Amino acid sequence: NAGVTQTPKFQVLKTGQSMTLQCAQDMNHNSMYWYRQDPGMGLRLIYYSASEGTTDKGEVPNGYNVSRLNKREFSLRLESAAPSQTSVYFCASSDGYEQYFGPGTRLTVT
Amino acid sequence: AQSVAQPEDQVNVAEGNPLTVKCTYSVSGNPYLFWYVQYPNRGLQFLLKYITGDNLVKGSYGFEAEFNKSQTSFHLKKPSALVSDSALYFCAVRPWGGYQKVTFGIGTKLQVIP
Repeated sequence: NAGVTQTPKFQVLKTGQSMTLQCAQDMNHNSMYWYRQDPGMGLRLIYYSASEGTTDKGEVPNGYNVSRLNKREFSLRLESAAPSQTSVYFCASSDGYEQYFGPGTRLTVT
Repeated sequence: AQSVAQPEDQVNVAEGNPLTVKCTYSVSGNPYLFWYVQYPNRGLQFLLKYITGDNLVKGSYGFEAEFNKSQTSFHLKKPSALVSDSALYFCAVRPWGGYQKVTFGIGTKLQVIP
């Protein structure tokens, strides 16, 4: 039982490049989330998926897109990376109450 | 709109002393409340939650939290701090009912001094 896994762990992009962050959970949870964590700002919700087949914007969706591929997988795409997207990204899943977090992806955009 | 306030950026406590990490919240209706811990370079880990019932909830690693509806607070406590408790602690809130988004506080760094 791996819980929530994320790939990659680290990534460096140049401005304008694109990439997809992958997330998978093996707990059969309906809800999945993408957050970014920046110093002094806590966790901010980018997108979430309440159930398979649905996605909704969170607090800071601009510059990102998501895909809920199936119940297990929820990916986050940066189409044209900007330095402001330098952050640590966390995926989480939930059974309706507490959330379970992945180990994070540290992204640097130069 | 819902919100969470963690008024202290950092809390320092001596090993063996009791610790308190403060949290107040604002939400429409009844709240679900959560505490999470984050160790360096790791994801958040769930510690405990308040859903309904007893105002004092117990969680992992000897932590507990007290729900106070009149003060809209949910302070995290531990009777005797360990050096290994040093980490970043997040309080979170969501409203009752159906699917609702969770709002996190900005976190409080707990430093336990040997």
